[in-house]
Amino acid sequence: AQTVTQSQPEMSVQEAETVTLSCTYDTSESDYYLFWYKQPPSRQMILVIRQEAYKQQNATENRFSVNFQKAAKSFSLKISDSQLGDAAMYFCAYRSRAGNMLTFGGGTRLMVKP
Amino acid sequence: DTAVSQTPKYLVTQMGNDKSIKCEQNLGHDTMYWYKQDSKKFLKIMFSYNNKELIINETVPNRFSPKSPDKAHLNLHINSLELGDSAVYFCASSQTGTEYEKLFFGSGTQLSVL
Repeated sequence: AQTVTQSQPEMSVQEAETVTLSCTYDTSESDYYLFWYKQPPSRQMILVIRQEAYKQQNATENRFSVNFQKAAKSFSLKISDSQLGDAAMYFCAYRSRAGNMLTFGGGTRLMVKP
Repeated sequence: DTAVSQTPKYLVTQMGNDKSIKCEQNLGHDTMYWYKQDSKKFLKIMFSYNNKELIINETVPNRFSPKSPDKAHLNLHINSLELGDSAVYFCASSQTGTEYEKLFFGSGTQLSVL
């Protein structure tokens, strides 16, 4: 079974600074997807960014980028120019290409200081 | 229009009661899910269902049962509620065969069992 681990229960960053959230996963599969989801206090789950395992290039979405290290099974999220609205829980998630269910990490609470 | 809608948003009930949470998606998706988020924010898949197959996470007690009257609905019925069932329950949907089969989440139902 796949497992996803987020080793940082909480992180804080100064507004306009950069922060990196860590995620590691364990799988025996070679083809899969990785995701970062944001959950603000509204509870809504918002997809931030995704990465296909077969792609070597790291995904980027505006201020959000990932560092995908397949051999190390690491998938960190970098948030640049942090904004107050970035404050939320962030979840790393794994999905096998052949399956349809997400396995989530335990989450990291990000606080943004003005 | 909300893509995935759940009702109710909040549900407070007594131990031993039976309750249902409704979910509807208007995206024409063929697969729907239920996820549970516990008090520590840990998210875990409960069920995956499409018009062919129900996949049940083996850790889910049989007091929980998904019921799908049609392709656009997947309701969650819970018998004999226990204190440990208190959590936020998320419905989600996706379409098989689309690019990375993006998951669309509802806004969650917060269940409190007293």
